[in-house]
Amino acid sequence: AQSVAQPEDQVNVAEGNPLTVKCTYSVSGNPYLFWYVQYPNRGLQFLLKYITGDNLVKGSYGFEAEFNKSQTSFHLKKPSALVSDSALYFCAVRDPRMRGSYIPTFGRGTSLIVHP
Amino acid sequence: EAGVAQSPRYKIIEKRQSVAFWCNPISGHATLYWYQQILGQGPKLLIQFQNNGVVDDSQLPKDRFSAERLKGVDSTLKIQPAKLEDSAVYLCASSFEGTGSTDTQYFGPGTRLTVL
Repeated sequence: AQSVAQPEDQVNVAEGNPLTVKCTYSVSGNPYLFWYVQYPNRGLQFLLKYITGDNLVKGSYGFEAEFNKSQTSFHLKKPSALVSDSALYFCAVRDPRMRGSYIPTFGRGTSLIVHP
Repeated sequence: EAGVAQSPRYKIIEKRQSVAFWCNPISGHATLYWYQQILGQGPKLLIQFQNNGVVDDSQLPKDRFSAERLKGVDSTLKIQPAKLEDSAVYLCASSFEGTGSTDTQYFGPGTRLTVL
């Protein structure tokens, strides 16, 4: 079985400061990991994914995430937060060993609030 | 390129009524997904299509939910009859191929359903 946890319901950060949104996962073998962002009344937008290779993945809007196998984590980071980054962020995991069906498991989401 | 289109954006019905949602995926995307997102939770996959065939519908409440993708392009999701607990945002997503779980999913804006 696969699962993902986002331990923080909300993250508050001041504009210009670095931000981190945490994600941990549980899956047998090597996971495929994704981050999505959801703005109010909008669908999810893809930010980045980790499949294999370099543990540091760079994505859209200046976001990056670091895959840490020993800690089973895939935290989302940005060096300098913008007010416009305020949104709901979802981490998702897929077990690549599953054949024929690729049901991803999404976390509950973390609300990021960037204060001016 | 145009994104995933969904309609309607909002729908309010009374319990025991029927409702249908429509999705037009990104052109050329073979795989289409329907998700249910209840307030405060991450999206939950209801059904996955590969062209016009169902890949996985294990999480679809088949006593009241149905979905089809007859020509392998557009899709409709129907609820009949609706219950109060069906109040949620219904998201449609598509991906290019879907035969590999590395595919990125692109989401539509969603349909917000309120059942009174």
